[in-house]
Amino acid sequence: DGGITQSPKYLFRKEGQNVTLSCEQNLNHDAMYWYRQDPGQGLRLIYYSQIVNDFQKGDIAEGYSVSREKKESFPLTVTSAQKNPTAFYLCASSIGTGDDTEAFFGQGTRLTVV
Amino acid sequence: GEDVEQSLFLSVREGDSSVINCTYTDSSSTYLYWYKQEPGAGLQLLTYIFSNMDMKQDQRLTVLLNKKDKHLSLRIADTQTGDSAIYFCAERWNSGNTPLVFGKGTRLSVIA
Repeated sequence: DGGITQSPKYLFRKEGQNVTLSCEQNLNHDAMYWYRQDPGQGLRLIYYSQIVNDFQKGDIAEGYSVSREKKESFPLTVTSAQKNPTAFYLCASSIGTGDDTEAFFGQGTRLTVV
Repeated sequence: GEDVEQSLFLSVREGDSSVINCTYTDSSSTYLYWYKQEPGAGLQLLTYIFSNMDMKQDQRLTVLLNKKDKHLSLRIADTQTGDSAIYFCAERWNSGNTPLVFGKGTRLSVIA
């Protein structure tokens, strides 16, 4: 089945450690996105990539890094520079052009800093 | 700049209609969306509407768009307990691979 997969579902990290969240899609979508969700804050854009080997910062990119070496994969690294990393992280993808403008979401990764 | 506003909470009785409202500020928005999020899960697209449309109906869902007031609404007819979730309004301008801008979400509680 085609879809977008995030792993792991739950992740615990000690303060000062970097951690990488995985996002894989087999929908042949050009564009991929990372959002952060906090209670009462809605979804805020961290990074997005419109094509392989290219990505742009979103509204809250500080303390995060990404790579887009393959079309299918868009991993997000939460670095120790991120001051408040505990949150629910959502990855999404969309086709680049055409009438099909839906963004498909993964099931999310809940990151907790302990 | 882009901004999407929604009320945070809505409570309705089972069987009644629910109306969730959203306002947006970017007049160049071409597509407007409604997503549903159940607890601990990702977002599921419910419906979307192009900015050149006024209304779209899909089974129990009706979307109304007032471009003059930049107001979007989602009406759920015969609301069921399974409709309890957070509903997000989102806008996208320009082409299909620009990021969606989301509101903060409306938590719908359905009382049996």
